[in-house]
Amino acid sequence: AQTVTQSQPEMSVQEAETVTLSCTYDTSENNYYLFWYKQPPSRQMILVIRQEAYKQQNATENRFSVNFQKAAKSFSLKISDSQLGDTAMYFCAFMKPNTGNQFYFGTGTSLTVIP
Amino acid sequence: DAGVTQSPTHLIKTRGQQVTLRCSPKSGHDTVSWYQQALGQGPQFIFQYYEEEERQRGNFPDRFSGHQFPNYSSELNVNALLLGDSALYLCASSWGGVANYGYTFGSGTRLTVV
Repeated sequence: AQTVTQSQPEMSVQEAETVTLSCTYDTSENNYYLFWYKQPPSRQMILVIRQEAYKQQNATENRFSVNFQKAAKSFSLKISDSQLGDTAMYFCAFMKPNTGNQFYFGTGTSLTVIP
Repeated sequence: DAGVTQSPTHLIKTRGQQVTLRCSPKSGHDTVSWYQQALGQGPQFIFQYYEEEERQRGNFPDRFSGHQFPNYSSELNVNALLLGDSALYLCASSWGGVANYGYTFGSGTRLTVV
């Protein structure tokens, strides 16, 4: 079974500073996908960044980047130059391809950006 | 280009009743997945519909059932509601072939069972 663990229930960061959210996962698979999703008060899950396990290069999307350590089964999200609009719940998620493409989500980290 | 639309946005039901939630997928998507998000938790996979059939199912009892229509829209039905069914129900659509890329979530239906 796949499990995703987010050990930081709540975090805060000053506007314009950098923050890192942690995520670990457990799987016996070699090929899979990892994601970070943002859920603002509007409740819609919004894709922040994705990583294919077979790629050694860490994914980046503007101010968002990941540190993917496959051997350690770790997948942290770094947010640079934090903005007030980054305030939201952040969920780490795992997907095993070709099995209905279902997500396995962590319990989330509530991030507050302080002005 | 419309995204995923869910209705209703909020719903209050009494224990033992039945409820139907609805989802219209994003234009061009043919696959619909349903997730249950309890308060303070991450979403949990209920099931996925593709070509009007249930393709994959999570660890949910048979009280949870669904349907997909020829226009790809979908319904989630929950019978004999329990207090523990209170949650945000999220629908996500994708295209059958590349679901890991094209997943789009709706804003959910907040179900409260009293």
